[in-house]
Amino acid sequence: DVKVTQSSRYLVKRTGEKVFLECVQDMDHENMFWYRQDPGLGLRLIYFSYDVKMKEKGDIPEGYSVSREKKERFSLILESASTNQTSMYLCASSLDNRPGTPYNHNSPLHFGNGTRLTVT
Amino acid sequence: AQTVTQSQPEMSVQEAETVTLSCTYDTSESNYYLFWYKQPPSRQMILVIRQEAYKQQNATENRFSVNFQKAAKSFSLKISDSQLGDTAMYFCAFMKRAGTSYGKLTFGQGTILTVHP
Repeated sequence: DVKVTQSSRYLVKRTGEKVFLECVQDMDHENMFWYRQDPGLGLRLIYFSYDVKMKEKGDIPEGYSVSREKKERFSLILESASTNQTSMYLCASSLDNRPGTPYNHNSPLHFGNGTRLTVT
Repeated sequence: AQTVTQSQPEMSVQEAETVTLSCTYDTSESNYYLFWYKQPPSRQMILVIRQEAYKQQNATENRFSVNFQKAAKSFSLKISDSQLGDTAMYFCAFMKRAGTSYGKLTFGQGTILTVHP
């Protein structure tokens, strides 16, 4: 079974703090994602990574950065936390689905249990 | 860019009855996948069912089935014989099938389903 682990279930930070959200997956997946979940807005993609040290912006990257130094770990960084970043953050991973790769490209995402971040 | 719309913020159903959750999407892609995910209070996202756009036959998984209307860009989820454990937030999601999608999913706003005893 794929396991995606997020380091914190709940987190409370102050405005202006630098915040790190950590995510680790144990299935050697190439792709990793950070989503933000807000009521009425669903899940929105912040950043994703398709390989070590590779990253691409999602739909709402402003105010965030990411780091992927090792294949199993994908970190989301809030450089200076603001109250509008109070949200649920979900990490996910999936196998490579690019053309030419051996895996059938309908692999669904495997999610962690989320980190509920409150910025006060 | 793709968009996914779930127009029902909340739904409720009596235990053992049938309920249908709606989803529409907009895309210029011809090859894609559609998914329904369930998020119970534990927050763990669980894949309920998937549909390949090139397949005309509607996907079915036990009590869950979809009504996929490609021309209308509609993808509804039917839950038969509803159970208390079906209470959750349900998300409709879209994924391009090929190219550089990297498995990115675009999600709808979600529908909170409550099953009453």
